[in-house]
Amino acid sequence: QKEVEQDPGPLSVPEGAIVSLNCTYSNSAFQYFMWYRQYSRKGPELLMYTYSSGNKEDGRFTAQVDKSSKYISLFIRDSQPSDSATYLCAMRVGFGNEKLTFGTGTRLTIIP
Amino acid sequence: EAQVTQNPRYLITVTGKKLTVTCSQNMNHEYMSWYRQDPGLGLRQIYYSMNVEVTDKGDVPEGYKVSRKEKRNFPLILESPSPNQTSLYFCASSLLYVGRLNYGYTFGSGTRLTVV
Repeated sequence: QKEVEQDPGPLSVPEGAIVSLNCTYSNSAFQYFMWYRQYSRKGPELLMYTYSSGNKEDGRFTAQVDKSSKYISLFIRDSQPSDSATYLCAMRVGFGNEKLTFGTGTRLTIIP
Repeated sequence: EAQVTQNPRYLITVTGKKLTVTCSQNMNHEYMSWYRQDPGLGLRQIYYSMNVEVTDKGDVPEGYKVSRKEKRNFPLILESPSPNQTSLYFCASSLLYVGRLNYGYTFGSGTRLTVV
């Protein structure tokens, strides 16, 4: 069993819809949670970061963490065609950035 | 501009011909790492380095070598490439100890390697 599971999609939604992307994890030691966005032919870039259970909002993006269920989500409101990308969840245990465990990524397409 | 620079972007080579993919960062990061990305498997760590002359294996190190002689550079070496090393490769760098800081990895733009 992988430490981090992520539905690969692909996921296609119409412009303006709310998008929900999810990851589950098995290692209860994970404390820090991230979402990376990867455009085609580019490297991943950090989108959201949180370390506590609950919600964190940044513009149209909300990251949600439920440590009791070992489940994290990324919500995108008012989705735009420019949000079309692959989204990877990532998580780590401690203060050091030497070991991130990534999900396999969900490919998202926003249809104009 | 803060960045991680990988070269080349695309490379086609033949089985057994040694090659090096270069990676350089200009952010004075201690930590650097190499990943390969394959469909359905996601990002898998090959090797990482926590500082100059300090390197360690990741999850899929077989067939690869690295060195960290300078803080800014972290080349990936394939001494005898095989077709199963055909993949998309990413170099990443970061501060090593970030605590609760909102600080992630900076990735290069990737190197698409094909071994025939």
